[in-house]
Amino acid sequence: AQTVTQSQPEMSVQEAETVTLSCTYDTSENNYYLFWYKQPPSRQMILVIRQEAYKQQNATENRFSVNFQKAAKSFSLKISDSQLGDTAMYFCAFMKHPSGGSNYKLTFGKGTLLTVNP
Amino acid sequence: DGGITQSPKYLFRKEGQNVTLSCEQNLNHDAMYWYRQDPGQGLRLIYYSQIVNDFQKGDIAEGYSVSREKKESFPLTVTSAQKNPTAFYLCASSPIGQGRSGELFFGEGSRLTVL
Repeated sequence: AQTVTQSQPEMSVQEAETVTLSCTYDTSENNYYLFWYKQPPSRQMILVIRQEAYKQQNATENRFSVNFQKAAKSFSLKISDSQLGDTAMYFCAFMKHPSGGSNYKLTFGKGTLLTVNP
Repeated sequence: DGGITQSPKYLFRKEGQNVTLSCEQNLNHDAMYWYRQDPGQGLRLIYYSQIVNDFQKGDIAEGYSVSREKKESFPLTVTSAQKNPTAFYLCASSPIGQGRSGELFFGEGSRLTVL
């Protein structure tokens, strides 16, 4: 079974600064997907960024980027130029590559609460 | 607008009662999921479905039941057998394939409190 570990329950950062959230995972799979999801105080969860394990290039979405280290099974999220609206719970998630109609199940970490201070 | 609708937003239940949480999506997604969220526990998967009339147990299915009679709908019943049902429940849907597998779209959640 896959496990996802987020070792930082809470973090804070000053507005306009950069912060990195950590995520490690354990799997015997070679092909899989990794995700970061954001849950703001309003509670509706949204996808931040997605990484496919077979791609060596790190995914980026505007101010959000990842550092994907496959050998180390590490998938950290970097938020540049932090904004007050980035205050949220951030969840790392894992999904093994579905093949032959097999399942599309996501496993989530316990989350990191990020607070951006003015 | 396309999206996922969960209802009710807040629900109170007496011990021993079954309760059903509604989840509807108009995104034409094949996969649907129910997660339970507790403080400090992250999201734990209860049930998921990849196709109509089929669903699979997740990690904490005991005391819950689901149905998937229509593509758009995936209701969750919390039965009296669930020993600790007070929680926040999140429904999600996802396309399958199209290079977007695993991209979950979430509803706003349902807060269930057992009195």
